[in-house]
Amino acid sequence: GENVEQHPSTLSVQEGDSAVIKCTYSDSASNYFPWYKQELGKRPQLIIDIRSNVGEKKDQRIAVTLNKTAKHFSLHITETQPEDSAVYFCAAGDSGNTPLVFGKGTRLSVIA
Amino acid sequence: SQTIHQWPATLVQPVGSPLSLECTVEGTSNPNLYWYRQAAGRGLQLLFYSVGIGQISSEVPQNLSASRPQDRQFILSSKKLLLSDSGFYLCAWRGRRGRFQETQYFGPGTRLLVL
Repeated sequence: GENVEQHPSTLSVQEGDSAVIKCTYSDSASNYFPWYKQELGKRPQLIIDIRSNVGEKKDQRIAVTLNKTAKHFSLHITETQPEDSAVYFCAAGDSGNTPLVFGKGTRLSVIA
Repeated sequence: SQTIHQWPATLVQPVGSPLSLECTVEGTSNPNLYWYRQAAGRGLQLLFYSVGIGQISSEVPQNLSASRPQDRQFILSSKKLLLSDSGFYLCAWRGRRGRFQETQYFGPGTRLLVL
């Protein structure tokens, strides 16, 4: 089955700097890769996702890149702000009924 | 638009008591439904998922069970709670378009404390 590894587990950056979170997956059949942001005490919220037919997707300060050959994908947050502080989860899955497999999460702290 | 509801929002229960958490989805039909548990400061543990009425797949052997009596209703139950059942319980749904799954969304969650 699928296995998703996420690094780092914690990340501290200065406000205005960029943050990068990386995930690797094992199942070459996976073709859908979402990222979720979870603020303290709240539900995970989808912030961006990418499908295997594209290599990069951007939404304002957030971008995701996918390298299918190497089986890894990354979340990039530019010009970080204190409100970006949260736990971020990556996930991988296919188009069938198999559940998404989540990484263990990255706790991002943006220091003002 | 689609909406997912969970109740109750918070629950404090004694060890050995029963549990019933409910999740309902509006604005979609035939979704895939999921129950996750999240211990404090930890990741998302998939407990059960369902691809249709009466169809339940269990991911972990637990004193928990799940049922899907209606297309958009998913229930998590226990006959006797353990201390280790404390956590944040999240229901999630994933829509389907033909054979393909779409984006997954989480409900607001139920915070359970077993004492």
